Amino acid sequence: GQNIDQPTEMTATEGAIVQINCTYQTSGFNGLFWYQQHAGEAPTFLSYNVLDGLEEKGRFSSFLSRSKGYSYLLLKELQMKDSASYLCAVIDSNYQLIWGAGTKLIIKP
Amino acid sequence: IAGITQAPTSQILAAGRRMTLRCTQDMRHNAMYWYRQDLGLGLRLIHYSNTAGTTGKGEVPDGYSVSRANTDDFPLTLASAVPSQTSVYFCASTPEGGGGAGNEQFFGPGTRLTVL
Repeated sequence: GQNIDQPTEMTATEGAIVQINCTYQTSGFNGLFWYQQHAGEAPTFLSYNVLDGLEEKGRFSSFLSRSKGYSYLLLKELQMKDSASYLCAVIDSNYQLIWGAGTKLIIKP
Repeated sequence: IAGITQAPTSQILAAGRRMTLRCTQDMRHNAMYWYRQDLGLGLRLIHYSNTAGTTGKGEVPDGYSVSRANTDDFPLTLASAVPSQTSVYFCASTPEGGGGAGNEQFFGPGTRLTVL
């Protein structure tokens, strides 16, 4: 079956750096998305990776290793507003989007 | 303001009743999707439509139906609601069906449905 694994919950300190990991086992691979979802709100797009390597976008970076079935989202200079759930999603060989359950990130002062 | 709207925002429904959740987008996106989100399970695809006039089944389609008469609207109908359909429902759209750069999903604000 298809599976995406993310830690359920992580805690970090304001101003610090946190890395949220995502491992996937899917039938084929056609890209990986990261979304942010604040409590009670809709998910919003953060990043897209289809080739190996690091994509940097301001305080957020996303890394992909296709051979390892692995991605991570790196958040720098954490702010309280970064408290949210972070969802990893993979496009499989049928171009269907498979979602992970999300990682709830708690930021402490 | 361009985006996706959903109605109602929330609803409490008696089991056995029929309910239609509305979704409208004004971005002229070809593809639209309905998801349910339950605690600890992530987003699960119910139905999708890659273009007006076509629909397809997702991961959890049983008990739900959709129609796509035009580009903008994609209603989701629960023919006879059951308590297991209590969830938060999100409608989403992408410029085209499938994946790829620039084809990220845009989500509506969601409908919180409780079936008693």
